[in-house]
Amino acid sequence: NAGVTQTPKFRILKIGQSMTLQCAQDMNHNYMYWYRQDPGMGLKLIYYSVGAGITDKGEVPNGYNVSRSTTEDFPLRLELAAPSQTSVYFCASSWAGLTGVYNEQFFGPGTRLTVL
Amino acid sequence: EDKVVQSPLSLVVHEGDTVTLNCSYEVTNFRSLLWYKQEKKAPTFLFMLTSSGIEKKSGRLSSILDKKELFSILNITATQTGDSAVYLCAVVRGSQGNLIFGKGTKLSVKP
Repeated sequence: NAGVTQTPKFRILKIGQSMTLQCAQDMNHNYMYWYRQDPGMGLKLIYYSVGAGITDKGEVPNGYNVSRSTTEDFPLRLELAAPSQTSVYFCASSWAGLTGVYNEQFFGPGTRLTVL
Repeated sequence: EDKVVQSPLSLVVHEGDTVTLNCSYEVTNFRSLLWYKQEKKAPTFLFMLTSSGIEKKSGRLSSILDKKELFSILNITATQTGDSAVYLCAVVRGSQGNLIFGKGTKLSVKP
């Protein structure tokens, strides 16, 4: 049981380049999330998904896109990278039942992205 | 605007001290409050609090929620150097489980 995995661990991009951050979970969680964490700050929600085929914007979605074609995978796409997207990106997942009972989120190890 | 405010932002103590970390919140459609520990990598889950006045304990750590006054505290007794970390408070907003995070409290425990 690997939990939440993310690749790559580190990446340097040039301004204007694009890339996809990968996230996968093997806990059969229905909810998945992408956060970014800037130095000295808490995490901010970028996008989330409540199940395969369903995604929605969080607090800071501009410059990013997501898709959720399977329960396990939730990739985050950066188009036209900008220096403001330099951050650590965390993927997380959780299970929520039909009654709306909410459980804690489990986090992946993070991807450190630098845009120069 | 929803917000979660943690205090202090940083704290330096010596081993054996007891510390109290504070988290206040103003969040619409509050569901629960979570505490995480972050040591230069992914946050790891400590507690989830949903009801007022019920203390959650795990070893030397404990936490309690006051939904009337909109705050929570995290206590760590007999601190150890391994407790050095950033402690994050997050509030679950709405049925989608979205977390609103505070900026964290950086705790440094000196030997």
